[in-house]
Amino acid sequence: QVHLVQSGAEVKKPGASVKVSCKASGYIFSNYDIIWVRQAPGQGLEWMGWSSVSGGNTYYAQNFQDRVTLTTDTSTNTAYMELRSLRSDDSAVYYCARVVVFHTSSFDFWGQGTLVTVSS
Amino acid sequence: DIRMTQSPSSLSASVGDRVTIPCRASQSIGTFLNWYRQIPGKAPELLIYGASTLESGVPSRFSGSGSGTDFTLTITNLQSEDFATYYCQQSHTGVAFGPGTKVDLK
Repeated sequence: QVHLVQSGAEVKKPGASVKVSCKASGYIFSNYDIIWVRQAPGQGLEWMGWSSVSGGNTYYAQNFQDRVTLTTDTSTNTAYMELRSLRSDDSAVYYCARVVVFHTSSFDFWGQGTLVTVSS
Repeated sequence: DIRMTQSPSSLSASVGDRVTIPCRASQSIGTFLNWYRQIPGKAPELLIYGASTLESGVPSRFSGSGSGTDFTLTITNLQSEDFATYYCQQSHTGVAFGPGTKVDLK
């Protein structure tokens, strides 16, 4: 069965960086893309970016393109999201999800979420 | 950019009710529209893709309709686990989620 397992909660100071991992299992990692979405407390879902695992391309939402880097490691079936220059309003739960491009790019399996808290 | 709107932001219902949740896109997106349910404290789960195709394993009480700019998620015979927030998401150009509609207990 498909699983996406994310790294644990992080506490960071303003200005620092955070790197969240998302380890995939149960399917051929390179056959599906990975997206990252975040959710601030009590708020909705915000798309951050998209990793094309097989092609190596990345696409970033305009709000994040200057501060986020998405990478994938096909040797370990792991995707990574690094966010730099953290601010207090970056405190949120960060999710990875698998993209099913041939099903109108829907996101069929999600990681459990990683809580990132930014506080001085 | 394509913007998604969902109104109302919340609605109240009872177990067994039929509920309809609207979603509107700022421009035509064909049927590149997906629906998710999010139970508090949990990750979202895919319900419908392509505006009307039920994701494998999702109960048949969920259905979707619409094309272009106006879409609807319908839940018949509402169950206790359906008291949650529902998000639409477009994938026609980039990715964008609607702000969500919370279904709570009347």
